[in-house]
Amino acid sequence: DGGITQSPKYLFRKEGQNVTLSCEQNLNHDAMYWYRQDPGQGLRLIYYSQIVNDFQKGDIAEGYSVSREKKESFPLTVTSAQKNPTAFYLCASRRSGTASNSPLHFGNGTRLTVT
Amino acid sequence: SQELEQSPQSLIVQEGKNLTINCTSSKTLYGLYWYKQKYGEGLIFLMMLQKGGEEKSHEKITAKLDEKKQQSSLHITASQPSHAGIYLCGADIVMGSGNTGKLIFGQGTTLQVKP
Repeated sequence: DGGITQSPKYLFRKEGQNVTLSCEQNLNHDAMYWYRQDPGQGLRLIYYSQIVNDFQKGDIAEGYSVSREKKESFPLTVTSAQKNPTAFYLCASRRSGTASNSPLHFGNGTRLTVT
Repeated sequence: SQELEQSPQSLIVQEGKNLTINCTSSKTLYGLYWYKQKYGEGLIFLMMLQKGGEEKSHEKITAKLDEKKQQSSLHITASQPSHAGIYLCGADIVMGSGNTGKLIFGQGTTLQVKP
């Protein structure tokens, strides 16, 4: 079955450590996205990529980094510069980033806790 | 920048009652998406609207996009406990040169259905 896999489901880290969240899709989608969700809030866009080897900052990119070396993979690194890293992180992909009839498909998320 | 405002933020209804969730944009909507989320999980795609006046239905859920393409509503008829969750609207960000590939979300509406 095609889909998006995020791993791990739960992640615990000590403050000051960088951590990388994995996102893999086998839907052959061109575009991939990372969102952050805090309790009682909607999704805020961190980074997105419309094509391999290219990505753009979203609304809250500070303290995060990404890479898009392969079409199917879009890992997110939460660096020690991110002041409030504890959150639920969601990865998504869609067929095209520029067609306005292309819904996002979401992974099941990674809950990151930093203490 | 474009923003999406959802109302109400939370809703508690008795099973069998109808309800409406609204999503208002500060700018024209070109691709409007409705999603449902169970707590701690990924988002499930419900419907997509593009044209002014468009209306789509799936089972007991109907979504509409107004003629001016700045407001969308999600209506649930005869609510059931299975409808409980968080409903989010999302929209493509379009600028003068076309679709930017960026997709933003409202803050979500939490629905509880009392049996």
